[in-house]
Amino acid sequence: ETGVTQTPRHLVMGMTNKKSLKCEQHLGHNAMYWYKQSAKKPLELMFVYSLEERVENNSVPSRFSPECPNSSHLFLHLHTLQPEDSALYLCASSQAPGTNTIYFGEGSWLTVV
Amino acid sequence: GESVGLHLPTLSVQEGDNSIINCAYSNSASDYFIWYKQESGKGPQFIIDIRSNMDKRQGQRVTVLLNKTVKHLSLQIAATQPGDSAVYFCAENPGDNYGQNFVFGPGTRLSVLP
Repeated sequence: ETGVTQTPRHLVMGMTNKKSLKCEQHLGHNAMYWYKQSAKKPLELMFVYSLEERVENNSVPSRFSPECPNSSHLFLHLHTLQPEDSALYLCASSQAPGTNTIYFGEGSWLTVV
Repeated sequence: GESVGLHLPTLSVQEGDNSIINCAYSNSASDYFIWYKQESGKGPQFIIDIRSNMDKRQGQRVTVLLNKTVKHLSLQIAATQPGDSAVYFCAENPGDNYGQNFVFGPGTRLSVLP
């Protein structure tokens, strides 16, 4: 059982849809992350939150909108996505940003049609 | 820019043999490294980590070696089992400003042959 749970595990959405990915961590960590993993690229950091405050945004398009209501929950709101946004979206957490081990969830497979 | 890379994209080993997966990093300021295992359809799973003040660290059937002189990291898996088949990738932390996070390598696929 992973300490970071993500829902849904699989999502198919049209380009005009609005959907959200949800992440919950049960590790008591203070930092949470969204990563994108596509077929031919290494893991790409999208967003970092520390104590519910966004501390880093790696120039992610505005069609991806994160929300961190508390230190245990993280959302990624999706709207007007493109087919090239199809990927595995991984949520992760760590005790704090920086030199702490990052623990990943199982990911949400997103297909944009 | 700084990057983490893997020498071998695929590695096939016989069951029972030892596996060695390599990783080169270019940022001499990196002070923390992690190896992850990712099985098909799953998220990356932490295997073992090492800080730059160490050269070697051992876990259960796994050993990580760090050579700071040549900026090289390796993961050794002893007595490789079918369940070890997965993609393995390293991650380095440049150790700079708050918010600067891990840089991940592209991964090496390990296939265990019966």
